[in-house]
Amino acid sequence: SQTIHQWPATLVQPVGSPLSLECTVEGTSNPNLYWYRQAAGRGLQLLFYSVGIGQISSEVPQNLSASRPQDRQFILSSKKLLLSDSGFYLCAWSAALDIGNQPQHFGDGTRLSIL
Amino acid sequence: GQQLNQSPQSMFIQEGEDVSMNCTSSSIFNTWLWYKQDPGEGPVLLIALYKAGELTSNGRLTAQFGITRKDSFLNISASIPSDVGIYFCAGPGAYNTDKLIFGTGTRLQVFP
Repeated sequence: SQTIHQWPATLVQPVGSPLSLECTVEGTSNPNLYWYRQAAGRGLQLLFYSVGIGQISSEVPQNLSASRPQDRQFILSSKKLLLSDSGFYLCAWSAALDIGNQPQHFGDGTRLSIL
Repeated sequence: GQQLNQSPQSMFIQEGEDVSMNCTSSSIFNTWLWYKQDPGEGPVLLIALYKAGELTSNGRLTAQFGITRKDSFLNISASIPSDVGIYFCAGPGAYNTDKLIFGTGTRLQVFP
């Protein structure tokens, strides 16, 4: 069966520091991968998605970036964090099938607090 | 762009009551997904609907794909305290089915 892992679970970082959040998927090949951010009590905002190694689509302009160095690894980074980067970050995967409309499956999230 | 509106925004009910919530859109969706998010965790897929008119159950949960393809409903029967959380509907974007459009969420509180 497929599993998705995100780490760390919580992170407290000072303003201006760098960021690296990692997400890995097991039990599937060539998944679509996604990074979302969720503000407290709010809905899900799609930040990046990837349909293959090295392919990244950015949904909103921001000081975050994403990379996919391996088939089942998705990394969210920043060179200098802002206060507004605080939030709950979720990684998700879906099967990349020709028929489309595949559900996404989420990791447990990383709660990022910027001080 | 496509949007999904959920109602009610929040619900406060007593244990044992039935719950109904819905999700509507101004555009057609070919798939409806319902997720539940427990506090501090990622959303978990509850039910997936792929055909207009489809009615699908998962334990005490029942969801329906509206016949117009512009809405979907989720019902929870005999609610229990662990039903607490945020319920999201979602569907694939019309122009890019690799992306999901998520609803605004319905926050459910269950009191014993």
